[in-house]
Amino acid sequence: GQGVEQPDNLMSVEGTFARVNCTYSTSGFNGLSWYQQREGHAPVFLSYVVLDGLKDSGHFSTFLSRSNGYSYLLLTELQIKDSASYLCAVRVPNYNVLYFGSGTKLTVEP
Amino acid sequence: DPKIIQKPKYLVAVTGSEKILICEQYLGHNAMYWYRQSAKKPLEFMFSYSYQKLMDNQTASSRFQPQSSKKNHLDLQITALKPDDSATYFCASSQAGQGGQNTLYFGAGTRLSVL
Repeated sequence: GQGVEQPDNLMSVEGTFARVNCTYSTSGFNGLSWYQQREGHAPVFLSYVVLDGLKDSGHFSTFLSRSNGYSYLLLTELQIKDSASYLCAVRVPNYNVLYFGSGTKLTVEP
Repeated sequence: DPKIIQKPKYLVAVTGSEKILICEQYLGHNAMYWYRQSAKKPLEFMFSYSYQKLMDNQTASSRFQPQSSKKNHLDLQITALKPDDSATYFCASSQAGQGGQNTLYFGAGTRLSVL
């Protein structure tokens, strides 16, 4: 099967940063996406990476290491409203399918 | 205004009954999907359609049947409902083709409870 793993919970403090980790083990790799999901709401697309390295998009940055099957989403200058679940999703070749991790619930405290 | 409309928002059904979940998108996309999310489980892919044709199906049970009557519609019929079918069902869409599939736009979901 396709394995996409994320820690269940993460806590951080307003004004600092948080790094949400994702590891994957899939039959091929055709890109990795990050989504934000608030309680009771739909996932919202944040970022997509397919090449190794850091992609800086301001408040959200993403890192990918394909050789290690690893990605992280970095949130900087955290605000209380960043509290949400962050989902990692991997696409494998030849299928129109995204395999999602179970999500990391980020809690930002004052 | 929501660009992907799912109806109903909440649905309660009895075991053994049949329901249809409605999805319409107004983003001009040619690819549509159904995903399911149960408590404490990852979002689970069910079906993908491109230009109204079934592309991928990872739903083991034939009780789940997608229906695409129009380019921007992808409904989901569920027959012989079971309590284990209780979940939030999300419809999503994207541009068809390699690049577009990496960015999914989700509807607000239909929360189904089977008693």
